[in-house]
Amino acid sequence: KQEVTQIPAALSVPEGENLVLNCSFTDSAIYNLQWFRQDPGKGLTSLLLIQSSQREQTSGRLNASLDKSSGRSTLYIAASQPGDSATYLCAVRLDAGNNRKLIWGLGTSLAVNP
Amino acid sequence: DAGITQSPRHKVTETGTPVTLRCHQTENHRYMYWYRQDPGHGLRLIHYSYGVKDTDKGEVSDGYSVSRSKTEDFLLTLESATSSQTSVYFCAISEGVNGELFFGEGSRLTVL
Repeated sequence: KQEVTQIPAALSVPEGENLVLNCSFTDSAIYNLQWFRQDPGKGLTSLLLIQSSQREQTSGRLNASLDKSSGRSTLYIAASQPGDSATYLCAVRLDAGNNRKLIWGLGTSLAVNP
Repeated sequence: DAGITQSPRHKVTETGTPVTLRCHQTENHRYMYWYRQDPGHGLRLIHYSYGVKDTDKGEVSDGYSVSRSKTEDFLLTLESATSSQTSVYFCAISEGVNGELFFGEGSRLTVL
C-alpha cells in the first residue's frame, strides 16, 4: 500500500534561508507527483507537477526533484520570504493501470520569520 | 488562477437536513472532483466526474451523492447531514485523468 510522508510536520526558518521540504513515498511505481501550497482558510495552489520520467521541475524560486528509486521528492525554496509561509502538500499518483489513484501527504507547515 | 468557484463558502446546518454544495468551473476541464479535508486525515476523495452525467465513487463516498448535468457544474449533496460530515470541502478540476489538479477555495460546512 502506497504511503506518503512529509517530515517535518512543521518548520520555522528566518527570512532569506534556503530550505528543503521532503516528501517520501513507499512504492516507486508512481505516475507523477504534484506539490501544492495551502494558505490558512484557502484552497490548494498547484506549484509543480513532476512526471515519473522527469528528475526535476523549476518555477521561479522553487525547484522540485524526484528520485523514484529512493522514494523521495524534495521541494527546494531559495531565499525564503515571509510570503512563503503556508502549508506545503505533496500528492503522489500511483502508476496502476486505469486506476491511477492520488495519495496525499499531510503536509509541512512552514513559517518564514522576518 | 484556474476559474473554479465554490458556493456556499460557509454553511452551518443541523443534523438531518439536506445540503448541496456547488462547484462551477470556467476552464472546460473534463474531470471534476470533490474532496474533504480534515485534520489528521489530509485530503480524501469523495466522488469524481469524468464527463457530463459520468461520475464515480471515491474513498469516502458514503452519505454523499453527486451530479453533473453540465460540463461546468458539479454538485455535491448530503442527503441527510451528520456531525461527522463537518469538514472543509474542496472542488478540484483537471484536464486529463492524470493531469495537474487545480482547486477551488473550499466550502466550510458545520453540522450541529
